[in-house]
Amino acid sequence: EIQLQESGPGLVKPSQSLSLTCSVTGYTITSGYDWSWIRKFPGNKMEWMGYISNSGSTNYNPSLKIRISITRDTSKNQFFLQLNSVTTEDTATYYCARGGTHFDYWGQGVMVTVSS
Amino acid sequence: DIVLTQSPALAVSLGQRATISCRASQSVSISRYNLMHWYQQKPGQQPKLLIYRASNLASGIPARFSGSGSGTDFTLTINPVQADDIATYYCQQSRESPPTFGGGTKLELK
Repeated sequence: EIQLQESGPGLVKPSQSLSLTCSVTGYTITSGYDWSWIRKFPGNKMEWMGYISNSGSTNYNPSLKIRISITRDTSKNQFFLQLNSVTTEDTATYYCARGGTHFDYWGQGVMVTVSS
Repeated sequence: DIVLTQSPALAVSLGQRATISCRASQSVSISRYNLMHWYQQKPGQQPKLLIYRASNLASGIPARFSGSGSGTDFTLTINPVQADDIATYYCQQSRESPPTFGGGTKLELK
């Protein structure tokens, strides 16, 4: 069974960087598919942030392009999100998911609050 | 970016049909491919893929869920509605990058 699990700090200070890990079991991230980060803001708006492909290329939402980086560790079957210079507007639940067009497996999500 | 518009809420009785609509700001169809997808999300849970490419049932999803539409207008139908279907439903397009989501329709009991 394919499972994704996010991990990382639940509280980040403004202007700092948000870093999250997605651990994947049941499927090797280099075997296929793109691997995305998606966030859901308070009030239900959802935003696709970007993905890393099975070959390691990346594609980011232009709205985040100067602040976001998605990388991976293939030896651990993990991929990572780094979002720089966060503000309170980055407070959201962050999900990792399989896919780059539609998303068929999702992690449980991790709530991240940006606050001093 | 392509904007997807959904009604915020829909009230339905158990056993009846629910029709949830999603309208795109421009066509999300290419040739015979309708690049609209539907998700269900319950409180405290992750979204679950229900329908991909407008009308294809995702793995493990009951046949009471169905999708239709093309161009800019799409519909998710649940027939008959069961108590377990009370949730928020999101449409999402992949015609253009970035993929975008609708604001969600909360299905409520009448």
